Amino acid sequence: SQTIHQWPATLVQPVGSPLSLECTVEGTSNPNLYWYRQAAGRGLQLLFYSVGIGQISSEVPQNLSASRPQDRQFILSSKKLLLSDSGFYLCAWRLGQGGNIQYFGAGTRLSVL
Amino acid sequence: KQEVTQIPAALSVPEGENLVLNCSFTDSAIYNLQWFRQDPGKGLTSLLLIQSSQREQTSGRLNASLDKSSGRSTLYIAASQPGDSATYLCAGGSTLGRLYFGRGTQLTVWP
Repeated sequence: SQTIHQWPATLVQPVGSPLSLECTVEGTSNPNLYWYRQAAGRGLQLLFYSVGIGQISSEVPQNLSASRPQDRQFILSSKKLLLSDSGFYLCAWRLGQGGNIQYFGAGTRLSVL
Repeated sequence: KQEVTQIPAALSVPEGENLVLNCSFTDSAIYNLQWFRQDPGKGLTSLLLIQSSQREQTSGRLNASLDKSSGRSTLYIAASQPGDSATYLCAGGSTLGRLYFGRGTQLTVWP
């Protein structure tokens, strides 16, 4: 069966520090991968998605970037965090061919102070 | 860009009631519509997915409908239980799996 892992579960970082959140999927090949953010008082917002290794599409301009160095690995990064980057970050996957349902990880709670 | 709205924002009911959660979307060229459940501090669990060609889907006590022409979806929960307490999110899906979420309905079912 397929599983999705996200880490860390919680993170507290000072403003201006770098960020790296990792997401990995097991039990499937060539998944579509997604990063979402849920900020306080706002809905879930799609940040990035990827349909293959090295292929990254950004939904909104921001202080963050994403990379997909391996088929089942998706990384969310920042060189310098802002206060507004605080939120709950969720990674998701779906089957690359004909898949519809998205499956979500447990999320990372990021607090930028 | 797809805009999704959910009403009500919060709902508190006694156990046993039948519930209706509403979701509206602006772009009728929707690829599919998904309903999720989110428990506090947790990730999302997919409940039901309705393809654009379908009108409804059922799973146990849950039934979701989709009316593309009016831009609406409804999640019906029968015989609610305290364990149903959570935030319910609807999301409009476009090609390549991009999901556009509403802000959710926070449901509390008390014994």
